[in-house]
Amino acid sequence: NAGVTQTPKFQVLKTGQSMTLQCAQDMNHEYMSWYRQDPGMGLRLIHYSVGAGITDQGEVPNGYNVSRSTTEDFPLRLLSAAPSQTSVYFCASSEKIRDRGLGYTFGSGTRLTVV
Amino acid sequence: ILNVEQSPQSLHVQEGDSTNFTCSFPSSNFYALHWYRWETAKSPEALFVMTLNGDEKKKGRISATLNTKEGYSYLYIKGSQPEDSATYLCAFVRNQGGKLIFGQGTELSVKP
Repeated sequence: NAGVTQTPKFQVLKTGQSMTLQCAQDMNHEYMSWYRQDPGMGLRLIHYSVGAGITDQGEVPNGYNVSRSTTEDFPLRLLSAAPSQTSVYFCASSEKIRDRGLGYTFGSGTRLTVV
Repeated sequence: ILNVEQSPQSLHVQEGDSTNFTCSFPSSNFYALHWYRWETAKSPEALFVMTLNGDEKKKGRISATLNTKEGYSYLYIKGSQPEDSATYLCAFVRNQGGKLIFGQGTELSVKP
């Protein structure tokens, strides 16, 4: 049982390049989210999904796209990388049933540097 | 804009001290309140998910309470140990699930 798998773990991009951060979970979780972590800013929600085919914007969606074609996968696309997108990105997933009390499971993170 | 506030921002205690942190969140349309523990160089791990006003949860030396009417939750650590050193995050869910908004966390350092 792998949980939430993020790839790559590290990436360096040049300004203007595009790329996709991959996220996959094998727990059949309905909810999936992408967060970015910046010093002094905590975890900020970029995009989230409550099920296959359904996505919505979080707190800081500009410059990012997502899609959810399957329950398992939730890729995050950077359309034209900017230095302001240098950050650590976390993918997380959860069951829909809130009273199960299990919370979100996080991936190990992707450290992205845009030069 | 959902404001989830945590205090204090950081806390330094001695081994054996008991401590507590506060999480404040909007009291309208409450759905759930989460607590996470985040160790350096690791990923956040869920401690508690709280859904009912008056909820109290406990895991070992760590416990949490919830007041949805006034919009706050407390996390308590009894007899802090150096391995409790981490950042403790709370996160708020409004309406029906999906959108989890985090506070900025309380960084706890426990000295032997």
